[in-house]
Amino acid sequence: EAQVTQNPRYLITVTGKKLTVTCSQNMNHEYMSWYRQDPGLGLRQIYYSMNVEVTDKGDVPEGYKVSRKEKRNFPLILESPSPNQTSLYFCASSYGTGGAEQYFGPGTRLTVT
Amino acid sequence: KQEVTQIPAALSVPEGENLVLNCSFTDSAIYNLQWFRQDPGKGLTSLLLIQSSQREQTSGRLNASLDKSSGRSTLYIAASQPGDSATYLCAVRSSGSARQLTFGSGTQLTVLP
Repeated sequence: EAQVTQNPRYLITVTGKKLTVTCSQNMNHEYMSWYRQDPGLGLRQIYYSMNVEVTDKGDVPEGYKVSRKEKRNFPLILESPSPNQTSLYFCASSYGTGGAEQYFGPGTRLTVT
Repeated sequence: KQEVTQIPAALSVPEGENLVLNCSFTDSAIYNLQWFRQDPGKGLTSLLLIQSSQREQTSGRLNASLDKSSGRSTLYIAASQPGDSATYLCAVRSSGSARQLTFGSGTQLTVLP
């Protein structure tokens, strides 16, 4: 089944403790991206990647890192999480870089205390 | 910078009614527009993708239209059902920055049995 998977689905952590949220897709998509969704602010793009070893900042990249060493994986790294990073995070992927349908993962609910 | 607005923020209709959800965007230079459905606590499910050269797309009871010149898109749902209850999001991929997707804040639809 074609899908985007994220792990973990739920995470509660403390300020400053480094964490990684994994994202993997099995559709051989070139493009992958991360979003966060907050009440009243909607979905905002954090980082995106157009292919292996090619990443770029979205609208809200501060406090996040990403890497794209393999085509199928695009982990989101929070080196020193803070409470304002408490949010619902989504990974997405698509063919190419602009004309194709986006497929979203199920989301990761992160709480930073 | 592209801005996407969805009106109304919430809509409640009796089962069986036809309804229209609205999406407007400020920059008409778009690559494509995508409508999504989001159920509470879940990820986004793609409903329809309209390329900038297209005027409409249909899938079952759903029809999405695009008027680039006026910066508007509508999602028409025919013969609504309680299972259609969800939040509907539109997202615009701009030509100038084809890698980024800008989301509206969504319309929360409730279909009453």
